[in-house]
Amino acid sequence: EDQVTQSPEALRLQEGESSSLNCSYTVSGLRGLFWYRQDPGKGPEFLFTLYSAGEEKEKERLKATLTKKESFLHITAPKPEDSATYLCAVYEDRGSTLGRLYFGRGTQLTVWP
Amino acid sequence: DTAVSQTPKYLVTQMGNDKSIKCEQNLGHDTMYWYKQDSKKFLKIMFSYNNKELIINETVPNRFSPKSPDKAHLNLHINSLELGDSAVYFCASSQDRAGTVSEKLFFGSGTQLSVL
Repeated sequence: EDQVTQSPEALRLQEGESSSLNCSYTVSGLRGLFWYRQDPGKGPEFLFTLYSAGEEKEKERLKATLTKKESFLHITAPKPEDSATYLCAVYEDRGSTLGRLYFGRGTQLTVWP
Repeated sequence: DTAVSQTPKYLVTQMGNDKSIKCEQNLGHDTMYWYKQDSKKFLKIMFSYNNKELIINETVPNRFSPKSPDKAHLNLHINSLELGDSAVYFCASSQDRAGTVSEKLFFGSGTQLSVL
């Protein structure tokens, strides 16, 4: 079973059309949730870290929120330059051993003018 | 100036060959990683080094051998390449120690490995 599930797999929006991406997780010892942006042919670029339910972070047109079982990345009035794959990752606490970061498959966002 | 750089960008090779991927970071970070992104787009950790010491070694075939000559460099050598090794390999670095909740990763641009 995947520890992190992102939906939808792909999303096409017209410029200015707001929407949300979802990240749900099944890890039991969640200590942090991360959002990254990945452009084609590039490595992921860090966007946000959320540590506890109810927490919110914002950056330009992006806003990330966290509940006990999922996170949302809200995109307000997107522009074509927001087109990218957005990856969610969760950090699982493993107690006495080192924690692990699990990534989802991402949501490929395309914003057309 | 690129923060995390890895070479080569593309690597096409025959089954059974041995190849290496090099990675360098100029961020002054103590922790470096190798991640694999497979055809299903999952990013999975392979190895992590903290100041030249191996601290995470996931279930990876022993054909894969990381080497860290200093804390700014982490290379990946792969012996006897197989078809299933085809993937994108990402190097990353972090200011924080691997396996801690605060780790924020800085990725290189990836190496697309194709095994024919």
